[in-house]
Amino acid sequence: AQSVSQHNHHVILSEAASLELGCNYSYGGTVNLFWYVQYPGQHLQLLLKYFSGDPLVKGIKGFEAEFIKSKFSFNLRKPSVQWSDTAEYFCAVRRGGSYIPTFGRGTSLIVHP
Amino acid sequence: DTAVSQTPKYLVTQMGNDKSIKCEQNLGHDTMYWYKQDSKKFLKIMFSYNNKELIINETVPNRFSPKSPDKAHLNLHINSLELGDSAVYFCASFGDRGSGEQFFGPGTRLTVL
Repeated sequence: AQSVSQHNHHVILSEAASLELGCNYSYGGTVNLFWYVQYPGQHLQLLLKYFSGDPLVKGIKGFEAEFIKSKFSFNLRKPSVQWSDTAEYFCAVRRGGSYIPTFGRGTSLIVHP
Repeated sequence: DTAVSQTPKYLVTQMGNDKSIKCEQNLGHDTMYWYKQDSKKFLKIMFSYNNKELIINETVPNRFSPKSPDKAHLNLHINSLELGDSAVYFCASFGDRGSGEQFFGPGTRLTVL
């Protein structure tokens, strides 16, 4: 069965620090990759997605992610976080042609002002 | 306009009661889902419907019954509510098997007393 691992469960940073959240998946075929963000008390919103092409994907709010096929990874990065980035971050992977994505357990990010 | 809407936003009820949560999407999507998010933010898929047909039914007690009157609606009915059913329930929709992301509703926070 496909699985998605987010190794950092809780991350605490100060404003202006750089961020990298890890995401690894287990499926070896064609995949679509996503990062979603859930701000406190809100629903999940898409940050960025990868389907094909340039493995470095840029999303909203200065986030980017790099798909490294050989490592089955899709890590999320931001060079300088802000207090408003405090949220839960979810990585999701969907096998090509499937309706059903698999979500990681989420990473809680707290940014101190 | 809200793409995926859910009602109610909050639901507080006693153990043993029966309750329903409604979901509607105006995106013209063919696939809809119900997720349960527990207190640790873990997101678990419960059901998925495609064009009003059930395509996935994860290990969920049969007290939970989804109903899709048309492809824009996917309601969740819960019988004999238990304390462990307390969670946030998210509806989501998905429109393009090849390249789309999911769109999530605002969530329904269910509290069983």
